[in-house]
Amino acid sequence: DQQVKQNSPSLSVQEGRISILNCDYTNSMFDYFLWYKKYPAEGPTFLISISSIKDKNEDGRFTVFLNKSAKHLSLHIVPSQPGDSAVYFCAASGNNQGGKLIFGQGTELSVKP
Amino acid sequence: GAGVSQSPRYKVAKRGQDVALRCDPISGHVSLFWYQQALGQGPEFLTYFQNEAQLDKSGLPSDRFFAERPEGSVSTLKIQRTQQEDSAVYLCASSSGTHYGYTFGSGTRLTVV
Repeated sequence: DQQVKQNSPSLSVQEGRISILNCDYTNSMFDYFLWYKKYPAEGPTFLISISSIKDKNEDGRFTVFLNKSAKHLSLHIVPSQPGDSAVYFCAASGNNQGGKLIFGQGTELSVKP
Repeated sequence: GAGVSQSPRYKVAKRGQDVALRCDPISGHVSLFWYQQALGQGPEFLTYFQNEAQLDKSGLPSDRFFAERPEGSVSTLKIQRTQQEDSAVYLCASSSGTHYGYTFGSGTRLTVV
């Protein structure tokens, strides 16, 4: 049973526009959510996170929104740049998880010049 | 070192062969994680160490998988009698103790033929 789902395997956006990547989860015990970015042949790189006590966290061009009632989070990238082209993974954890992360399947973002 | 180092980067094993994958975490990092990433999927948790203690091995898929971290630094993931379904990228990650955005290595791509 997939506890963290990214239903869009790919997304294509024009440079300068907004990229919105979505993630849904099923486990209400999750209390911390993270986004990772992955380039080919490299390991995932931490991008941004949000605690369940917040509904928004912003870091430069990246903003993560959390809707606990809908068990949904999204990553907004504004403005999108060609260097943002990568696979983005949503991940979740809980206090009783011991640091273990549950990852979604990933969304491949392509930002076209 | 500056990052998490994994070796080898690529490993081709014949079915039935034993393999050992090495992870050098960031110096001083207490927590160490192993994940398995199949093609087109997100990373899946295998096991977690805090120093030399293996606190969670719930993700290891079978008793052919074994991990150790005897001195609380370098870790080895061993797979005995490899099978084709073991083909994946094996990722190691370390953190200073919290689950907040730990650092991944570039992974070892294992192909079982």
